[in-house]
Amino acid sequence: GQQLNQSPQSMFIQEGEDVSMNCTSSSIFNTWLWYKQDPGEGPVLLIALYKAGELTSNGRLTAQFGITRKDSFLNISASIPSDVGIYFCAGLVNNAGNMLTFGGGTRLMVKP
Amino acid sequence: GAGVSQSPSNKVTEKGKDVELRCDPISGHTALYWYRQSLGQGLEFLIYFQGNSAPDKSGLPSDRFSAERTGGSVSTLTIQRTQQEDSAVYLCASSPRPFSTDTQYFGPGTRLTVL
Repeated sequence: GQQLNQSPQSMFIQEGEDVSMNCTSSSIFNTWLWYKQDPGEGPVLLIALYKAGELTSNGRLTAQFGITRKDSFLNISASIPSDVGIYFCAGLVNNAGNMLTFGGGTRLMVKP
Repeated sequence: GAGVSQSPSNKVTEKGKDVELRCDPISGHTALYWYRQSLGQGLEFLIYFQGNSAPDKSGLPSDRFSAERTGGSVSTLTIQRTQQEDSAVYLCASSPRPFSTDTQYFGPGTRLTVL
């Protein structure tokens, strides 16, 4: 099946630093999504990307849909302690199926 | 309003026993999904219900797994003859309309441990 390779697997950063994580695939996706998951909770959608080359921001978060449709990145600027969690990328191949393929996650730890 | 709820939040069972996991989607949501999340891994799609259409079962890992959605609302995921490799968090999500990727709302999950 399809796989999304997400990196890095974990990051330990100082509060205030910027963070970057990315996902790559051998297959094309029509939609890229970025989720955050807190312990004991389900994932919560952060940003949705629908067009190749699209760059979208949500507060301190910025994500881009790669021009090849095979990759995406998420940047977090000026990290704060509540940014701690696991971030997942997810891709969708076709809207009819509506099934998401998830990356393995990036565990972010922020040191105050 | 109320979000997606799942029960139980934790389930410990013995190998070989059957388990049922429940999902209550957001009222009025027509689409419902089940995912499995193994420790430290991303989510793995299991099954998708949309209205009265036949469910998409393409993600179910074996015939020990089945799911129902009664009355277009509550869904039950059943795992028969559980194995240790079934241990994972099972997440349910619902969406208010079909083909709507950006509005899948996830429940908190059921953590299943098979001893």
